[in-house]
Amino acid sequence: TQLLEQSPQFLSIQEGENLTVYCNSSSVFSSLQWYRQEPGEGPVLLVTVVTGGEVKKLKRLTFQFGDARKDSSLHITAAQPGDTGLYLCAGAVGNQFYFGTGTSLTVIP
Amino acid sequence: SQTIHQWPATLVQPVGSPLSLECTVEGTSNPNLYWYRQAAGRGLQLLFYSVGIGQISSEVPQNLSASRPQDRQFILSSKKLLLSDSGFYLCAWEAPQGAFFGQGTRLTVV
Repeated sequence: TQLLEQSPQFLSIQEGENLTVYCNSSSVFSSLQWYRQEPGEGPVLLVTVVTGGEVKKLKRLTFQFGDARKDSSLHITAAQPGDTGLYLCAGAVGNQFYFGTGTSLTVIP
Repeated sequence: SQTIHQWPATLVQPVGSPLSLECTVEGTSNPNLYWYRQAAGRGLQLLFYSVGIGQISSEVPQNLSASRPQDRQFILSSKKLLLSDSGFYLCAWEAPQGAFFGQGTRLTVV
């Protein structure tokens, strides 16, 4: 059972463009995290959101937690080639983290 | 600071051979530990998690097992590997703000 669905699955854009990645679920989470993963490495935590409606900014990345704590979005402004990677959302339920299906982003110079 | 070590980084094993992947955490005590498997370019599937020594919970029926012989050690094992066990395996520990991962092990069963 996949608790978290991400869209789009693949995204290829030109440098300088904006993009939004979505993470949706029918479940409520106590917190939600976003990770970025490079090929052959483990995911690296970018941000954690806890409160419904919360918005966090990390340089050109903006993360939002849905009001009902069931979904989240990641918006990247003026994407750069260094943003290329696999983006994963994860929701916390008790002691467990359930990961989304992943969004593979390629930013073309 | 807390760190997590996972080894080996890559492994090629024949079908039917045993498996042992080790994960250790430093700088924290009584961590919640996890084993995940990841298909190429996709999300992570939770295999096992442990909240303490000797306490293992399994998410999916499979050919693998896990053990936690020490507080900061988590081991993923198999008695006989299958071709379908190939994949990228990740160990993680839970911090209040999220999960921190090891470098991963690329397992190829041939």
